[in-house]
Amino acid sequence: AQTVTQSQPEMSVQEAETVTLSCTYDTSESDYYLFWYKQPPSRQMILVIRQEAYKQQNATENRFSVNFQKAAKSFSLKISDSQLGDAAMYFCAYRSLFTGNQFYFGTGTSLTVIP
Amino acid sequence: SQTIHQWPATLVQPVGSPLSLECTVEGTSNPNLYWYRQAAGRGLQLLFYSVGIGQISSEVPQNLSASRPQDRQFILSSKKLLLSDSGFYLCAWSVSAVEAFFGQGTRLTVV
Repeated sequence: AQTVTQSQPEMSVQEAETVTLSCTYDTSESDYYLFWYKQPPSRQMILVIRQEAYKQQNATENRFSVNFQKAAKSFSLKISDSQLGDAAMYFCAYRSLFTGNQFYFGTGTSLTVIP
Repeated sequence: SQTIHQWPATLVQPVGSPLSLECTVEGTSNPNLYWYRQAAGRGLQLLFYSVGIGQISSEVPQNLSASRPQDRQFILSSKKLLLSDSGFYLCAWSVSAVEAFFGQGTRLTVV
């Protein structure tokens, strides 16, 4: 089974600053999807951004962008101009394109935004 | 548009009692359905997933079971709850190879 590793249990950032959350994964597959989910205190899981492995261009959604390094199996999330509402648990997730029925999640990074 | 309903939102059950959590999806056909558990401050553990009616795959052997009696209905059950079953349970759905969409979760406390 694929494994997803988030090595930063907790991170903090000053409001309006930039923060990067790290994620690495282990797979022997060549095509797959990667995701970042946000879980605020309400515990509702919200999709932040998605990256298809066959696309070399890094995905961007407003203040959120990723640095996808396929060879290194790294998928980091950059949050620019951090806002108080960004405070949440962030999960990295992997899904195979071929045996794509399962999602594999990391253990999460808790992000605190300091006013 | 697609929506997912999960209930109840909160549940307190005594040890040894049965459990039934229900999840339904609207606005899509033949979705993949998932049950996850999240312990306090921890990541998501996949419990069961289903690719069709009556097709259930179990990831973690334990005293929980799942059923899919209808295309868009997914039920998580237990005959006798244990203290260790306490946690936050999330239902999710997906189609093709795109992202999973999650319900609002059920906070289960076994006392």
